[in-house]
Amino acid sequence: EVQLVESGGGLVQPGGSLRLSCAASGFTLSSYWMRWARQAPGKGLEWVADIKQDGSEKYHVDSVKGRFTISRDNAKNSLYLQMNSLRAEDTAVYYCARRLSSDAFDIWGQGTMVTVSS
Amino acid sequence: QSALTQPPSASGSPGQSVTISCTGTSSDVGGYKYVSWYQKHPGKAPKLMIYEVSKRPSGVPDRFSGSKSGNTASLTVSGLQAEDEADYYCSSYAGSNSVFGTGTKVTVL
Repeated sequence: EVQLVESGGGLVQPGGSLRLSCAASGFTLSSYWMRWARQAPGKGLEWVADIKQDGSEKYHVDSVKGRFTISRDNAKNSLYLQMNSLRAEDTAVYYCARRLSSDAFDIWGQGTMVTVSS
Repeated sequence: QSALTQPPSASGSPGQSVTISCTGTSSDVGGYKYVSWYQKHPGKAPKLMIYEVSKRPSGVPDRFSGSKSGNTASLTVSGLQAEDEADYYCSSYAGSNSVFGTGTKVTVL
């Protein structure tokens, strides 16, 4: 079964760090662009970052540039999101997703909750 | 990177049709043929319903259709069913970035 499973979320203080992981199964991660997106409580979906198959291209939304970094380890079939200098407005459910084609993502994980609060 | 504009809500009776608009700019919706639509139920993962403006992924009913004119894309759900009640989000490529819409809650009356 093709599946993505996120982990690593939790409660963190403002200014703190977290590393999210996304484990892929049922397909070869190295063949796909991957994405992180998020949804804050009561809000809409927001694109966070994309990464190319070999990690040579990475793109981040302006609001997280310099604080978050998307990465991957194809040998471990895993995608990551390193989040530093966290702010209250980063509180959200974070999803990883696999690209079908041209900015369309067909496989999504169930999400992991990140809460930034003192 | 401003969110694309969608109406907050839309509704229809079972069997009827509902159309949701998604308005952007020439830098996103109007500039590319890369508009997608996602269905999201509370507490669930987003589900891709339409990609590249009007293509349906395998398994998505043909009751769902997409189109685009200028800077505005649209999703039409025909023959509304109870399970179609959900939030719907458009998304567009924006030149190395991506942007989602504000979301539309579809209610089946």
